[in-house]
Amino acid sequence: NAGVTQTPKFQVLKTGQSMTLQCAQDMNHEYMSWYRQDPGMGLRLIHYSVGAGITDQGEVPNGYNVSRSTTEDFPLRLLSAAPSQTSVYFCASRSSGNTGELFFGEGSRLTVL
Amino acid sequence: GNSVTQMEGPVTLSEEAFLTINCTYTATGYPSLFWYVQYPGEGLQLLLKATKADDKGSNKGFEATYRKETTSFHLEKGSVQVSDSAVYFCALRSDTGRRALTFGSGTRLQVQP
Repeated sequence: NAGVTQTPKFQVLKTGQSMTLQCAQDMNHEYMSWYRQDPGMGLRLIHYSVGAGITDQGEVPNGYNVSRSTTEDFPLRLLSAAPSQTSVYFCASRSSGNTGELFFGEGSRLTVL
Repeated sequence: GNSVTQMEGPVTLSEEAFLTINCTYTATGYPSLFWYVQYPGEGLQLLLKATKADDKGSNKGFEATYRKETTSFHLEKGSVQVSDSAVYFCALRSDTGRRALTFGSGTRLQVQP
């Protein structure tokens, strides 16, 4: 059972470039989310989705875009990368009936120069 | 809004020492409370949870009790091991609104042999 899979694990971008972080889960979870992790700030919610075709903003959505065309996939797009988006990004999922246990991917470390 | 406050780290202990990591929260309603652990280079994993006041979550020798009167969920372990070295995150999930997890900033634990 693969769980939550994120790609790529590492990426370096130049300011202004765009890219997509991929996230896939094989647990048939309705809920998926993206967090960023920065030193001393814990994890902050970027965007989330409660099911295919439904997305909503979290705490820090600016500069990021998401879509949810299938239950399995929830890609995160950086439209025009900025140095402030240098971070470690985590995708997480859970079932809708769960009391909140999230299953996390291994993370994607992004550096914007 | 919701918030979680954890003691700052790093916490450095000798093997077999007693561990306490403090966590307090602010939330409306009746949130569920969680401790997640992040080992080096990995994503977060659920360590334990409690869904209502006075509940005690426990796993792998770790315990935490949901104290509504003091809005706290302190993590304890009677005898730590080197393998417990990791970053520990306290989190809450509100029973209203977005229902996403709100994380504390994390506490790094280093256990020395």
